[in-house]
Amino acid sequence: DTAVSQTPKYLVTQMGNDKSIKCEQNLGHDTMYWYKQDSKKFLKIMFSYNNKELIINETVPNRFSPKSPDKAHLNLHINSLELGDSAVYFCASRQQGSSYEQYFGPGTRLTVT
Amino acid sequence: GNSVTQMEGPVTLSEEAFLTINCTYTATGYPSLFWYVQYPGEGLQLLLKATKADDKGSNKGFEATYRKETTSFHLEKGSVQVSDSAVYFCALILNTGTASKLTFGTGTRLQVTL
Repeated sequence: DTAVSQTPKYLVTQMGNDKSIKCEQNLGHDTMYWYKQDSKKFLKIMFSYNNKELIINETVPNRFSPKSPDKAHLNLHINSLELGDSAVYFCASRQQGSSYEQYFGPGTRLTVT
Repeated sequence: GNSVTQMEGPVTLSEEAFLTINCTYTATGYPSLFWYVQYPGEGLQLLLKATKADDKGSNKGFEATYRKETTSFHLEKGSVQVSDSAVYFCALILNTGTASKLTFGTGTRLQVTL
């Protein structure tokens, strides 16, 4: 059974478009994250939600808007896509009060042309 | 601020060679330390962890010891296999409640050849 899943796995789109990436976890965790991995493999946290509340927002452009309809889902909507948004986006989850281990999804490779 | 520094890659080794990937950290407090591994085309998986000084994390033949005096958490394996080829990330986290977040190093690519 997949613990953290993301859709789509690949996303190719043109500059200026709006797109969404979805994430779901079936681990019963209460905290979810979005990370961006650039072409050099550098990983940086973007957002964190705990029990559907935004906890961490790491100076991400406001074109990026996360939404958590419930504890098991954290979606990422991106408006007016730019070339620099091309990256792999990873969702992760963990349970507060645990050993801080985060479980990662398989990633969504976004290519903006 | 908090930061993690890893050795530059790629690291290329022959099968059965000894592996060391260096990792040092800077943190305002006492972090928990992790090694994550990313196989080609996949997400990150936790490889091992250590939560306090002198703890040794180990998994799949990999080991790392939390050294507070040198602020290091070097990853080692006695005999690598081709299947170990991946990108390895060192990371730390400080306990700040719900706002706790992982800080990653830049990753080190390991390529193991026959």
